[in-house]
Amino acid sequence: DQQVKQNSPSLSVQEGRISILNCDYTNSMFDYFLWYKKYPAEGPTFLISISSIKDKNEDGRFTVFLNKSAKHLSLHIVPSQPGDSAVYFCAASAKPGNNRKLIWGLGTSLAVNP
Amino acid sequence: DAGVIQSPRHEVTEMGQEVTLRCKPISGHDYLFWYRQTMMRGLELLIYFNNNVPIDDSGMPEDRFSAKMPNASFSTLKIQPSEPRDSAVYFCASSKLDRPYKGGYTFGSGTRLTVV
Repeated sequence: DQQVKQNSPSLSVQEGRISILNCDYTNSMFDYFLWYKKYPAEGPTFLISISSIKDKNEDGRFTVFLNKSAKHLSLHIVPSQPGDSAVYFCAASAKPGNNRKLIWGLGTSLAVNP
Repeated sequence: DAGVIQSPRHEVTEMGQEVTLRCKPISGHDYLFWYRQTMMRGLELLIYFNNNVPIDDSGMPEDRFSAKMPNASFSTLKIQPSEPRDSAVYFCASSKLDRPYKGGYTFGSGTRLTVV
């Protein structure tokens, strides 16, 4: 059973517009969330994270929003650029400290069209 | 910093053969992780080490899989005997103690394994 769900396998956006990638989770014990980006033939690279004590974290063009009551988080990319075309993974952790296990979604493939 | 280095990049082997995947983590990182990626199941954690000691191997699918970390700069994932359903991309990742929640893991480029 998927504890972290990315229900949209793919998303297509025009360059300069906003990209919104969504992630839902079922485990209320998750308290840290991360987004990774993956290009073909490469490993995932860390993009941005958010702790459950926050509802928003921003880093340049990337903003992650967390809605704990809805168990939902989203990644906003503004403005989208062709180089953002990649697979985006949402991941969650149940607790900090010695538990280093991340639970991953299946990913959303983003295509930013020029 | 050369990043996390995995070898080989691609491996094609026949069913029943032994396969060994290799990983060199980033120097100074305390944690090392082995992941498997498939279309159906996404990224699955197989095992992770802290200071060369296996901490959690609950994700290792079967006894055919084994992992070792003889020192801080090297780890192997072995499959013996290999089966077609083991075909996947295997990633190694490393992190420092305080990194996973501030900067995430650093992944290698992966090994694409095909068992025919």
